[in-house]
Amino acid sequence: NAGVMQNPRHLVRRRGQEARLRCSPMKGHSHVYWYRQLPEEGLKFMVYLQKENIIDESGMPKERFSAEFPKEGPSILRIQQVVRGDSAAYFCASSPEFIGAFFGQGTRLTVV
Amino acid sequence: AQTVTQSQPEMSVQEAETVTLSCTYDTSESDYYLFWYKQPPSRQMILVIRQEAYKQQNATENRFSVNFQKAAKSFSLKISDSQLGDAAMYFCAYRSGIIQGAQKLVFGQGTRLTINP
Repeated sequence: NAGVMQNPRHLVRRRGQEARLRCSPMKGHSHVYWYRQLPEEGLKFMVYLQKENIIDESGMPKERFSAEFPKEGPSILRIQQVVRGDSAAYFCASSPEFIGAFFGQGTRLTVV
Repeated sequence: AQTVTQSQPEMSVQEAETVTLSCTYDTSESDYYLFWYKQPPSRQMILVIRQEAYKQQNATENRFSVNFQKAAKSFSLKISDSQLGDAAMYFCAYRSGIIQGAQKLVFGQGTRLTINP
């Protein structure tokens, strides 16, 4: 049973470009969470999704950020018109339900 | 809103000795979960141990154990017989146990643990 898979591991984007981060949850897990980690800080919650539904997006910036978890395929975190402040590690986690989440290895986004 | 505080930015311990990492949290809820995660240089977040608030018995996983003091809102992690592979950032995290949709984890700032050979 493969763990939570995130790709790419590293992503470099120029200011103004779009960044698209992918997350495939563990088999059988229907809950996906996205977190952001700035250097030397803890993880901050961004969004919680179930298949085709956004359950809680209270941690998502109001502009430029969006997330989806379609019926088929991975969950996608999309950042439009990236800025230097978006540089961070983005983690995806999945859980079956009401159990501690299992994390992917993260995507390190660098905006140049 | 819930908060999690780790007051020790850095800790170090001699190999084979015991170290305790501190964590306090603030919540008005009675039902919740607490976790310790380890983040080695690879950045992978690894679940070390978890505690359900309704359980009085402290959780234990091999060399890792917790001291859960619900009234004091304290949740410390004890690592016994420290090994070089234990060197990592350790994060304490809180999750509500009662509200549908509020399954997000709230993390502390982390404690960087160094193991001295």
